[in-house]
Amino acid sequence: KQEVTQIPAALSVPEGENLVLNCSFTDSAIYNLQWFRQDPGKGLTSLLLIQSSQREQTSGRLNASLDKSSGRSTLYIAASQPGDSATYLCAVGDSWGKLQFGAGTQVVVTP
Amino acid sequence: GAVVSQHPSRVICKSGTSVKIECRSLDFQATTMFWYRQFPKQSLMLMATSNEGSKATYEQGVEKDKFLINHASLTLSTLTVTSAHPEDSSFYICSADRTGGVSEKLFFGSGTQLSVL
Repeated sequence: KQEVTQIPAALSVPEGENLVLNCSFTDSAIYNLQWFRQDPGKGLTSLLLIQSSQREQTSGRLNASLDKSSGRSTLYIAASQPGDSATYLCAVGDSWGKLQFGAGTQVVVTP
Repeated sequence: GAVVSQHPSRVICKSGTSVKIECRSLDFQATTMFWYRQFPKQSLMLMATSNEGSKATYEQGVEKDKFLINHASLTLSTLTVTSAHPEDSSFYICSADRTGGVSEKLFFGSGTQLSVL
């Protein structure tokens, strides 16, 4: 059974620092991997989607890497801002569209 | 971008009542929708896969008679929590697959916080 783990569970950094969020999964037979942002009491916003054949995706200050063989993905957020404060979720997807989520990393960026 | 609307955003109900949650894809057709549940400080867990025009597929441990799913059209799926109890209090969220079954970017609703007294 696929298990998705996110480390650290919580992270607090001063504004301007780079953020590094880690995600690991136990079964490398994934279809894709997505990173989401969740604000308190709200839905999810998809940040980046990496297909299993890809090694990374970039969008603005965000960069996500995928090493399928070792079961790892890392989300980098450059030059963090207070508006980046949220919970970041990693999810691995199968070909049917089902997602297996990690528990998330709660990020606080202090001004 | 694609929009998924979920209503209501918050429900408080008495134990024993039923609650219906709607999930609508506003600008695309979704043959497949997914329902997730999230308990405090835990990850989202898939409850069921909703397929338009057919029965939903439930994950292991999810009671299909308690969590009724109806996907009557290509833009609407509903989740009804029947005879809700306090242990059903949770954050429920839906997602829609725009591409009709092949896993691409999924679009999520804003979620429903259910509190059962």
